[in-house]
Amino acid sequence: DTGVSQNPRHKITKRGQNVTFRCDPISEHNRLYWYRQTLGQGPEFLTYFQNEAQLEKSRLLSDRFSAERPKGSFSTLEIQRTEQGDSAMYLCASSPYTGRSSYEQYFGPGTRLTVT
Amino acid sequence: AQKVTQAQTEISVVEKEDVTLDCVYETRDTTYYLFWYKQPPSGELVFLIRRNSFDEQNEISGRYSWNFQKSTSSFNFTITASQVVDSAVYFCALTDLGSSYKLIFGSGTRLLVRP
Repeated sequence: DTGVSQNPRHKITKRGQNVTFRCDPISEHNRLYWYRQTLGQGPEFLTYFQNEAQLEKSRLLSDRFSAERPKGSFSTLEIQRTEQGDSAMYLCASSPYTGRSSYEQYFGPGTRLTVT
Repeated sequence: AQKVTQAQTEISVVEKEDVTLDCVYETRDTTYYLFWYKQPPSGELVFLIRRNSFDEQNEISGRYSWNFQKSTSSFNFTITASQVVDSAVYFCALTDLGSSYKLIFGSGTRLLVRP
């Protein structure tokens, strides 16, 4: 069990460019979450996958954001036409669907995005 | 609406002091889960504890203890004999028992333990 991994760890991009982040959850974890954390704040929920199905999206997730989990394993989060307000830490978490730990989310190290 | 409030923005203590981090929550659910996470300077959120709403027994794990009181909607976290390695931002969170079980986080308390 290697934990949740995220790539890249840091991304600097110019306003208007597209970026894509990847999350590899703990194997056999059916649930996968994306959160966004800005400086001095707690993480805020963006979207949720159960296996390959995207079942919930926050109103924070504008049309410029899209997330996928094509085979129910890794997930990608893409931001199109980035804006300076998108600068934040993007966190991925996974959780098992059943069992004693089914409500516990385990987080990856995050991808820090800076939009210049 | 569900909400988690951590009123203490930053706490500074000297090593070996005890420190309590406060967490107050709001929910209309009768069943819910509460969590504490630690975020050290490296940035990764580390799971510390989960508490079920129907279990009000307090819990101790080494130097860490948690006091859950439904009557006051509080879930406070105490570190006994603090150490420099405890310096981090600590987040309290509440599970939204909708379809996703997403976490609702407080704004965090930054703990600085000075040698």
